[in-house]
Amino acid sequence: GEDVEQSLFLSVREGDSSVINCTYTDSSSTYLYWYKQEPGAGLQLLTYIFSNMDMKQDQRLTVLLNKKDKHLSLRIADTQTGDSAIYFCAETSYNQGGKLIFGQGTELSVKP
Amino acid sequence: KAGVTQTPRYLIKTRGQQVTLSCSPISGHRSVSWYQQTPGQGLQFLFEYFSETQRNKGNFPGRFSGRQFSNSRSEMNVSTLELGDSALYLCASSLRTDGETQYFGPGTRLLVL
Repeated sequence: GEDVEQSLFLSVREGDSSVINCTYTDSSSTYLYWYKQEPGAGLQLLTYIFSNMDMKQDQRLTVLLNKKDKHLSLRIADTQTGDSAIYFCAETSYNQGGKLIFGQGTELSVKP
Repeated sequence: KAGVTQTPRYLIKTRGQQVTLSCSPISGHRSVSWYQQTPGQGLQFLFEYFSETQRNKGNFPGRFSGRQFSNSRSEMNVSTLELGDSALYLCASSLRTDGETQYFGPGTRLLVL
């Protein structure tokens, strides 16, 4: 079945760039998402990319997609302490309808 | 535009009881999906409704059920609660069901004692 994998932890210094990586197995994935979850909260949509795109930039966020390797990354420029949270990669495809497949989440810790 | 709302936010139940959770989607959104989040299993898809019809279902026992009303509001019900049902239940809404971006509510945290 479909699977999404992420590394569990990432620690960076304030002001540095953070890169969170994700790999997926479903070759028919059409939409790939990044969500952020702060303690005790729901999921906040950060950005998404269609599978026919290689890159998407949105302010401090850059998403890179390598379809051949089924690899997705989220780069956060000038990381701030407020960016500390868990980041989830998720994918879906047309034949999955409303079903999102999530990775385990990457806990980002930003040290001052 | 108001976001996805979920009620109640917190709930404590005992084993064997049943519970009903409610989700109101973003205005104009007709698709509602439900997810269960636990530390051990992560985020798992429960089911998805579109125009009052269940369109997709995850791998959960029949104790988990849901429905959607004509105004797109959705409820999920868990009967005969077990300790392992303790989780954060998240609802997401979208315009349609072909992978259109899903927006999540704050969740209902259920504790089963």
